[in-house]
Amino acid sequence: AQSVTQPDIHITVSEGASLELRCNYSYGATPYLFWYVQSPGQGLQLLLKYFSGDTLVQGIKGFEAEFKRSQSSFNLRKPSVHWSDAAEYFCAVGAFPGTYKYIFGTGTRLKVLA
Amino acid sequence: NAGVTQTPKFQVLKTGQSMTLQCAQDMNHEYMSWYRQDPGMGLRLIHYSVGAGITDQGEVPNGYNVSRSTTEDFPLRLLSAAPSQTSVYFCASTDQYNEQFFGPGTRLTVL
Repeated sequence: AQSVTQPDIHITVSEGASLELRCNYSYGATPYLFWYVQSPGQGLQLLLKYFSGDTLVQGIKGFEAEFKRSQSSFNLRKPSVHWSDAAEYFCAVGAFPGTYKYIFGTGTRLKVLA
Repeated sequence: NAGVTQTPKFQVLKTGQSMTLQCAQDMNHEYMSWYRQDPGMGLRLIHYSVGAGITDQGEVPNGYNVSRSTTEDFPLRLLSAAPSQTSVYFCASTDQYNEQFFGPGTRLTVL
């Protein structure tokens, strides 16, 4: 069965420090992978996605993620965190083509220290 | 474009009451879905639709009904609300590039 694991429930970093949020997935075929961000009281916004091709993908707000098939991982990174990055981050795998079903991880809440 | 809109933003129900959460999108997307978000559990798929007249169950469908009479609208119905349905509900539509667009959510409390 498909699944997504985000092993870190909470992460705290200092402003200006680098960030890496972990995501591992289980899926039988080549996955469609996504990272979303949710600010408090808001809906989800797409940061970046991977379907195929270059395994390092760039997203909005200075984020990037690397797809590593051998490790079944799709970790999100940012070289220098800003206070406005404090939010909850969700990794998701798309179970398509065919069903268009998304499976979300449980999320990682990021706190940024000034 | 308004994108995906949801109403109401907040709702309080008593156990056993019924209500409909409204969702509409103006992007002409065929695929729409409903999720619930609970602390520590991420987003779980309730129901989804691949086009007008076609719906299917997701991961947690019990207690919820949906219909899709038009491409634009995808309402979610709670026939007899239970405290376990206290949650934040998100509607989403998906474009041809498999990107999901989310509404702002409805925060539902069932007493």
